[in-house]
Amino acid sequence: SQKIEQNSEALNIQEGKTATLTCNYTNYSPAYLQWYRQDPGRGPVFLLLIRENEKEKRKERLKVTFDTTLKQSLFHITASQPADSATYLCALEGGGFKTIFGAGTRLFVKA
Amino acid sequence: GAVVSQHPSRVICKSGTSVKIECRSLDFQATTMFWYRQFPKQSLMLMATSNEGSKATYEQGVEKDKFLINHASLTLSTLTVTSAHPEDSSFYICSANDRDRGSYEQYFGPGTRLTVT
Repeated sequence: SQKIEQNSEALNIQEGKTATLTCNYTNYSPAYLQWYRQDPGRGPVFLLLIRENEKEKRKERLKVTFDTTLKQSLFHITASQPADSATYLCALEGGGFKTIFGAGTRLFVKA
Repeated sequence: GAVVSQHPSRVICKSGTSVKIECRSLDFQATTMFWYRQFPKQSLMLMATSNEGSKATYEQGVEKDKFLINHASLTLSTLTVTSAHPEDSSFYICSANDRDRGSYEQYFGPGTRLTVT
């Protein structure tokens, strides 16, 4: 069956460190993969999209990698700040314009 | 960036009543909108794809007679939860793409918290 797996345990890191979140998927062949941020009680906000022919994408303090052989994406936040604390969702193109979301990983950045 | 609004943000209703949630794209036209529901600490679950001028496409397990979707214009889609029951209490979120710009990213509304008593 198709699965998108993100670490369900919260990630706690110290301010200034790099946070790394993992997204693994099975039985999908997505043309692209996206990362979103979601704060409690709010809708998700788009962060980055990476296509299947791209290995890495950067935007300010964010970096995403996409390994279609391993079926994995890594999401990095460098020089993390308490304001980066949120849930981060991985999402795949699911065919027919649909986007399928992982359950998300909660990140806590301590000052 | 593209903006999607949702109304109401929060609604409490009694069991057996119907509730309508509106989703609007404010600065772009959305041929397709999506409706999700989310339970606490769980993933967004796609309920249906709403297509302007045609019937919505529902995901497996979603009752189309219970969750009525209407996409009457390029900027408005509505979700009506009919004969709501406590188990329908959830966070409902809509989203849209701005396909005219060739964009795959989804722009989400702020969500509607539905509580059925």
